[in-house]
Amino acid sequence: AQSVTQLDSQVPVFEEAPVELRCNYSSSVSVYLFWYVQYPNQGLQLLLKYLSGSTLVKGINGFEAEFNKSQTSFHLRKPSVHISDTAEYFCAVSDSGNTPLVFGKGTRLSVIA
Amino acid sequence: DVKVTQSSRYLVKRTGEKVFLECVQDMDHENMFWYRQDPGLGLRLIYFSYDVKMKEKGDIPEGYSVSREKKERFSLILESASTNQTSMYLCASSLWEGADTDTQYFGPGTRLTVL
Repeated sequence: AQSVTQLDSQVPVFEEAPVELRCNYSSSVSVYLFWYVQYPNQGLQLLLKYLSGSTLVKGINGFEAEFNKSQTSFHLRKPSVHISDTAEYFCAVSDSGNTPLVFGKGTRLSVIA
Repeated sequence: DVKVTQSSRYLVKRTGEKVFLECVQDMDHENMFWYRQDPGLGLRLIYFSYDVKMKEKGDIPEGYSVSREKKERFSLILESASTNQTSMYLCASSLWEGADTDTQYFGPGTRLTVL
């Protein structure tokens, strides 16, 4: 069965600084990969996804992620964060066969003014 | 835009009560899911359904049941609520096939407190 590890439970960062949120998944032949964001007291919103093709995926709000098959990673990056990016971020994976997503435990990003 | 709605944002119930959490999606999605979210544990899958009247157990089905009588509606039932079921409950839906397969769309969540 798939598993997802988000290496950092909390990431504090100053406003306008770059940020990387790390995600590793267990190996599989082919996978779909997702990043979701959850703002306080809200449901999850899709940030970006990798299904196939280019390994660099661009999402909403200036975020991007890179699929690295050899390292089984899908790290999320933003070159300059905003206060409004403060939220919890979840990495998720599926076996690309209409199977339920497996979620990581989340990374709480706190942007400091 | 896909819209997933949940019947309540906040709910307070007493131990032993039967609790119904309702979820409705308006995009004709085949798949629907129920998760619970707890601090430090992320999202854990309770039950999911690929079609009307079909259900599959997720990772933590104990103490829960589900009902899917119509394609757009997926209900989570706590037969006898207990304090350890105090949590945030999230519903999601997705397509069975196509380019958007496996992309789940979430409702706003129901924060359930059991006293």
